[in-house]
Amino acid sequence: RKEVEQDPGPFNVPEGATVAFNCTYSNSASQSFFWYRQDCRKEPKLLMSVYSSGNEDGRFTAQLNRASQYISLLIRDSKLSDSATYLCVLIPYGGATNKLIFGTGTLLAVQP
Amino acid sequence: GAGVSQSPRYKVAKRGQDVALRCDPISGHVSLFWYQQALGQGPEFLTYFQNEAQLDKSGLPSDRFFAERPEGSVSTLKIQRTQQEDSAVYLCASYLGSGELFFGEGSRLTVL
Repeated sequence: RKEVEQDPGPFNVPEGATVAFNCTYSNSASQSFFWYRQDCRKEPKLLMSVYSSGNEDGRFTAQLNRASQYISLLIRDSKLSDSATYLCVLIPYGGATNKLIFGTGTLLAVQP
Repeated sequence: GAGVSQSPRYKVAKRGQDVALRCDPISGHVSLFWYQQALGQGPEFLTYFQNEAQLDKSGLPSDRFFAERPEGSVSTLKIQRTQQEDSAVYLCASYLGSGELFFGEGSRLTVL
């Protein structure tokens, strides 16, 4: 089983819609969690960190559920410019390095 | 420059050829990661450097893959005797901590 699993999508939604992605992880000792965004044929960029208490950044809300081992990303009032692949990322506890483990990504297509 | 620079941006190799991919990280960033991203997948960890020391190479898929960072700045990822399954985008990233990787635009390798 992969360490991080995501529904690859695509999620096709109209402008203005609310859309949510989940990501599950297998290592209960995972330390830190993030969402990255990757535009087509571009490099990934950090979208937001995910805190245990949940956190919001404008139209984006991230939540962590350690008991069920998943994180979520909610996007409200979708814009055309939100179309991208959203990558779930974690840093596991332990090890010599803080290597970031990426999921396969969820493709979002916002339609006019 | 201000960001991570990678070269070449595109490389086409015949099966069996050796290739070398270069990464020029953000000046002063101690930590450097290499990732491999196949089409439709998330980035997969290859190796990690702290200054010139390669602290983790657990993600290198075979002994045909070799990475170095001799002076703690520029890094080179070398792939010997390339195979078709090596076709991917190779991403280099600088890391300052707190979950934010600064990726270069990647080197897209196609092995024929």
